[in-house]
Amino acid sequence: EDKVVQSPLSLVVHEGDTVTLNCSYEVTNFRSLLWYKQEKKAPTFLFMLTSSGIEKKSGRLSSILDKKELFSILNITATQTGDSAIYLCAVVEGGSEKLVFGKGMKLTVNP
Amino acid sequence: NAGVTQTPKFQVLKTGQSMTLQCAQDMNHNSMYWYRQDPGMGLRLIYYSASEGTTDKGEVPNGYNVSRLNKREFSLRLESAAPSQTSVYFCASGRDRGLSEQYFGPGTRLTVT
Repeated sequence: EDKVVQSPLSLVVHEGDTVTLNCSYEVTNFRSLLWYKQEKKAPTFLFMLTSSGIEKKSGRLSSILDKKELFSILNITATQTGDSAIYLCAVVEGGSEKLVFGKGMKLTVNP
Repeated sequence: NAGVTQTPKFQVLKTGQSMTLQCAQDMNHNSMYWYRQDPGMGLRLIYYSASEGTTDKGEVPNGYNVSRLNKREFSLRLESAAPSQTSVYFCASGRDRGLSEQYFGPGTRLTVT
């Protein structure tokens, strides 16, 4: 059973649209949740969330965590073709060094 | 800083051959990780090392061994490659236990025929 579930698994939008990516998780002792962006090669870090209700923001990207409902969302406003990538969500369980990744969500932004 | 480096970038093996994937980081991180990425499967942890001298199994360790040579280097060995090990392999490193991001290397694309 998957501990980290991302939805949708793929999405095609037009430039300028706003998108919301979802990540739900089920772990026994939550420590942190991380978002990564993966283009052609290695994943690059976007956000790490540990506290509920506190929005992290970087330019057009923002993310928030709901520890009560066990999910996080990643918002991208005014999308650009450069936002096309796979977005990965991962959760760290307390007491462990390990990240558990979701399957990833493929975003395609068309001009 | 080079960050996390991996060698080789590409490799083709025949079934039964062995090879070692090398990883090094220059960020003075304590923790290092090996992942594999397959289409539709996300990233799956093979092995990790919380600190120099320690290694632990991840989600998919069968068919692999690792060595944490020193604080900088963490290698992954395939003793007898199988077609099911065809994948992209990523090495990563991180500073703190679960409370800091992991930095990824550029990956090794391995094909086993």
